[in-house]
Amino acid sequence: QVQLVESGGGLVKPGGSLRLSCAASGFTFSDYYMSWIRQAPGKGLEWVSYISSSGSTIYYADSVKGRFTISRDNAKNSLYLQMNSLRAEDTAVYYCARDDYPTSYGMDVWGQGTTVTVSS
Amino acid sequence: DVVMTQSPLSLPVTLGQPASISCRSSQSLVYSDGNTYLNWFQQRPGQSPRRLIYKVSNRDSGVPDRFSGSGSGTDFTLKISRVEAEDVGVYYCMQGTHWPFPLFTFGPGTKVDIK
Repeated sequence: QVQLVESGGGLVKPGGSLRLSCAASGFTFSDYYMSWIRQAPGKGLEWVSYISSSGSTIYYADSVKGRFTISRDNAKNSLYLQMNSLRAEDTAVYYCARDDYPTSYGMDVWGQGTTVTVSS
Repeated sequence: DVVMTQSPLSLPVTLGQPASISCRSSQSLVYSDGNTYLNWFQQRPGQSPRRLIYKVSNRDSGVPDRFSGSGSGTDFTLKISRVEAEDVGVYYCMQGTHWPFPLFTFGPGTKVDIK
């Protein structure tokens, strides 16, 4: 079945780095645009970053621009988020999600999430 | 940037009764291709979000037909015809029309629980 599985979360000190991964299965990963979305504890959803199917087009939220880098490896059916210069406000559950463009601009499949905690 | 608002933010409902959530955007969500990219998501307690509705009124596969979406321009509504216990959770609207900065904008969420 269609599935996204995130990994790589953990506890990191402010200023540190972390790399999240998202393994896709059950669909042709290279056909789909992908996003990272995060949810701070007790808060709502915040879109973080987006990458086109080929990786040629990338967008970031202002809150992470210059610190986070999204990438993908279509041969490995994997999506990544390299997070540098982490701050306390980056503490959140991070979800990877599939975008169903061109049917719609929106996420039709979500992973279970991986938790990132930034604290000294 | 486009701002998404929802009301109410908390909605106690009675089982079997209808429920309605409003979502408003600060700018029209009609895209240049004529489509309106307004999505609705459900997040049950302890679970990942799940999309219910795309392009205002299209139900995703497997979504019960008691869920319906409507609206146009800047005003949108998610309706549950008869609330069931499994509908408890937080509902978010999200726009995908105005991009790329930010690409997607979520509403603050509406928490639905049982009276």
